[in-house]
Amino acid sequence: GAVVSQHPSRVICKSGTSVKIECRSLDFQATTMFWYRQFPKQSLMLMATSNEGSKATYEQGVEKDKFLINHASLTLSTLTVTSAHPEDSSFYICSARASGYDGYTFGSGTRLTVV
Amino acid sequence: GDSVTQMEGPVTLSEEAFLTINCTYTATGYPSLFWYVQYPGEGLQLLLKATKADDKGSNKGFEATYRKETTSFHLEKGSVQVSDSAVYFCALSPYSGAGSYQLTFGKGTKLSVIP
Repeated sequence: GAVVSQHPSRVICKSGTSVKIECRSLDFQATTMFWYRQFPKQSLMLMATSNEGSKATYEQGVEKDKFLINHASLTLSTLTVTSAHPEDSSFYICSARASGYDGYTFGSGTRLTVV
Repeated sequence: GDSVTQMEGPVTLSEEAFLTINCTYTATGYPSLFWYVQYPGEGLQLLLKATKADDKGSNKGFEATYRKETTSFHLEKGSVQVSDSAVYFCALSPYSGAGSYQLTFGKGTKLSVIP
């Protein structure tokens, strides 16, 4: 079945640095990628939606200059958390959808801790 | 806007007990409904889904029926196992079919099954 590989699974970074999270679709072309953030004991909150080759559409309240999303190819999307702060510590999950496919495939998530 | 409400956990059951996790939704039109499962340290996996009223989704002994009259999609399993311990998310997509529509999630219900 469809697989999305997300890396890294865990990352600890210093406040003020940037962190890049990658999601790769291994056996299908991800025309749309969704990026979610999950706080402890909370649900997944959609941050942005990106279509291959287009600019991402961000949800209200999500800073597009802080959370940079690139979806340059049909198999790779990246989320870069710029100038990270402790309040950015969270679990980030990507979800991919292929054109013509009625399903969503999730990555395994990235636990970001900013110290 | 669309929303999903599911029972808050945690839920602790003995092995072989009956499981029900309630889920109700608010949406316009005819959404698709999903249950996802998240095992510790992993991403979300699709457990089952239903795309129209009265459909029953089933997988691994779990079932849920799309009830439009009560706007519900309750998850049930007749006999839980320790390996079912996970967080369960109810979710909806605003439309059926193969489009790139975002998922709206409930807050998740943590299930712990003890031997």
